[in-house]
Amino acid sequence: DQQVKQNSPSLSVQEGRISILNCDYTNSMFDYFLWYKKYPAEGPTFLISISSIKDKNEDGRFTVFLNKSAKHLSLHIVPSQPGDSAVYFCAAPGSSNTGKLIFGQGTTLQVKP
Amino acid sequence: DARVTQTPRDKVTEMGQEVTMRCQPILGHNTVFWYRQTMMQGLELLAYFRNRAPLDDSGMPKDRFSAEMPDATLATLKIQPSEPRDSAVYFCASGWGRNTGELFFGEGSRLTVL
Repeated sequence: DQQVKQNSPSLSVQEGRISILNCDYTNSMFDYFLWYKKYPAEGPTFLISISSIKDKNEDGRFTVFLNKSAKHLSLHIVPSQPGDSAVYFCAAPGSSNTGKLIFGQGTTLQVKP
Repeated sequence: DARVTQTPRDKVTEMGQEVTMRCQPILGHNTVFWYRQTMMQGLELLAYFRNRAPLDDSGMPKDRFSAEMPDATLATLKIQPSEPRDSAVYFCASGWGRNTGELFFGEGSRLTVL
């Protein structure tokens, strides 16, 4: 049972344009969400997060939007840069106060120069 | 510069052999996680520990996988016997055990079972 789903395995955008990565979840009890970024041969690193009390969180070129009624979140990267090419995972805490994260399948973003 | 350290980075082995992966979490973190990256499942949780005690290993095939934390500076994941379907990248991560706290991942151990 995949509680966090990223239905697009890959996305290709042109440098300077917007990248939109999507994530859906099934558990309405999730109250915090995180995005991780992973380069080849490296471990995932934390990128940005959002609490369920907000519908938007922005950090520089990265913005995460949360639509609780649709159980959907998205990561926007504007403008996209070639260095943003990586695998992006969305995640949610699996149970209270364990720090455990449930991850989606990941979306591979390619930003073309 | 605190980081999670994993060994080996790459391991190629024959089916049936024992494989042990090691992880040194960040000093001060009280939770340690083992994840496996697969194409279909993404980052799949295998096991995790809080204060060295195992909390959940339901993600692991029990008959062949085992995870231990003999001390605060070492976590191990063992596969015996290994099978070709175990080929994947295995990540260790550590954190403070809070839902709003991020996890810090090691660089991973790439396992290939022939």
